Amino acid sequence: GEDVEQSLFLSVREGDSSVINCTYTDSSSTYLYWYKQEPGAGLQLLTYIFSNMDMKQDQRLTVLLNKKDKHLSLRIADTQTGDSAIYFCAEPNAGNNRKLIWGLGTSLAVNP
Amino acid sequence: KAGVTQTPRYLIKTRGQQVTLSCSPISGHRSVSWYQQTPGQGLQFLFEYFSETQRNKGNFPGRFSGRQFSNSRSEMNVSTLELGDSALYLCASSSGLAGNNEQFFGPGTRLTVL
Repeated sequence: GEDVEQSLFLSVREGDSSVINCTYTDSSSTYLYWYKQEPGAGLQLLTYIFSNMDMKQDQRLTVLLNKKDKHLSLRIADTQTGDSAIYFCAEPNAGNNRKLIWGLGTSLAVNP
Repeated sequence: KAGVTQTPRYLIKTRGQQVTLSCSPISGHRSVSWYQQTPGQGLQFLFEYFSETQRNKGNFPGRFSGRQFSNSRSEMNVSTLELGDSALYLCASSSGLAGNNEQFFGPGTRLTVL
């Protein structure tokens, strides 16, 4: 079945870059998403990438997509303590792109 | 533009009771999706409503049901609550149209079943 996998934890120092990785299974996904969830809050769409792109940059965020390996990554430059959150990767369900399949989330801890 | 709102934010119930959660989507959005979030299972899709009709359904038992009103507001009901239903229930709204399925999430309702 479909699966989205992420490592569960990442710890970085303030000012360093963070790289959060995700692997997915459905090669026909049109869009892939990154969401952020801060403590006690809902999910916020951070960015998304269309499947015909290899890279997308948005201020401190860089998304890289390797379709051959079905690997997606999110790089946060100059990581700040306010970036501490859980980051979710999501892809549309193969048979129904109205449903999103989610990873378990990567908990990013930023140490001062 | 106001965001997605969910009420109540917190609920405590006991086993066997039922509960109704409410979600108001972003104005103009016609699709509302519901998710259950637990530490062990992550985000699990419950169902999606579009124009008052259930358009998609996840793999939850029939105790979980929902509906959508003509103003796009949606309610989710869980009957005969079990301890395992304790979770954060998130609703997300989107335009519901073809193309980018960008979803906007509410803050969630934290349900605790004792």
